[in-house]
Amino acid sequence: EAGVAQSPRYKIIEKRQSVAFWCNPISGHATLYWYQQILGQGPKLLIQFQNNGVVDDSQLPKDRFSAERLKGVDSTLKIQPAKLEDSAVYLCASSSSSGTSGMSYNEQFFGPGTRLTVL
Amino acid sequence: GENVEQHPSTLSVQEGDSAVIKCTYSDSASNYFPWYKQELGKRPQLIIDIRSNVGEKKDQRIAVTLNKTAKHFSLHITETQPEDSAVYFCAASYRDDKIIFGKGTRLHILP
Repeated sequence: EAGVAQSPRYKIIEKRQSVAFWCNPISGHATLYWYQQILGQGPKLLIQFQNNGVVDDSQLPKDRFSAERLKGVDSTLKIQPAKLEDSAVYLCASSSSSGTSGMSYNEQFFGPGTRLTVL
Repeated sequence: GENVEQHPSTLSVQEGDSAVIKCTYSDSASNYFPWYKQELGKRPQLIIDIRSNVGEKKDQRIAVTLNKTAKHFSLHITETQPEDSAVYFCAASYRDDKIIFGKGTRLHILP
């Protein structure tokens, strides 16, 4: 089975520029996550989609970050304008979890990530 | 609030010895606790997980224990090998399939 795909793998931009990341989850996975992983820290959830709806975006800096998953499959994460502190690896993950609480949790599969450097 | 504390941040053990990493979580409703291993420059990968209806789970040299009363869970790696060197993350589930990660433990296996 193909894994989670992300592109680009690396991106270097100057502050105040814009950048977009793309994620293609594992086929059939309804839940998609975007995480920010700053060097030396654990992944921090930015936004979670269930199909094409947003389940949680409480940690997404909405003044500069946006994300969409229009057809419930691929997703894009955009930063506009970028700041120095946005330098991090952006990880996309997907799971077949149903989105309800209880015993429905399933493994999250991570993509290779996009390493963003803001100069 | 939603929080997962992980200790220690760095751990060095002699090859062949055991390693233990401990985590605590804040929400008593959490019921799924995965552990991920991340090698340098690579993506996190699930190594073991446990659900709240069991207290312990083992897979070869790796085991996880869960104490729901104390809201603690731990990862135990026995007979450590050089390839166990990596960063390990614990995580806990919150409502709506949200997973909150700890800050990670960098494990060094010394020859």
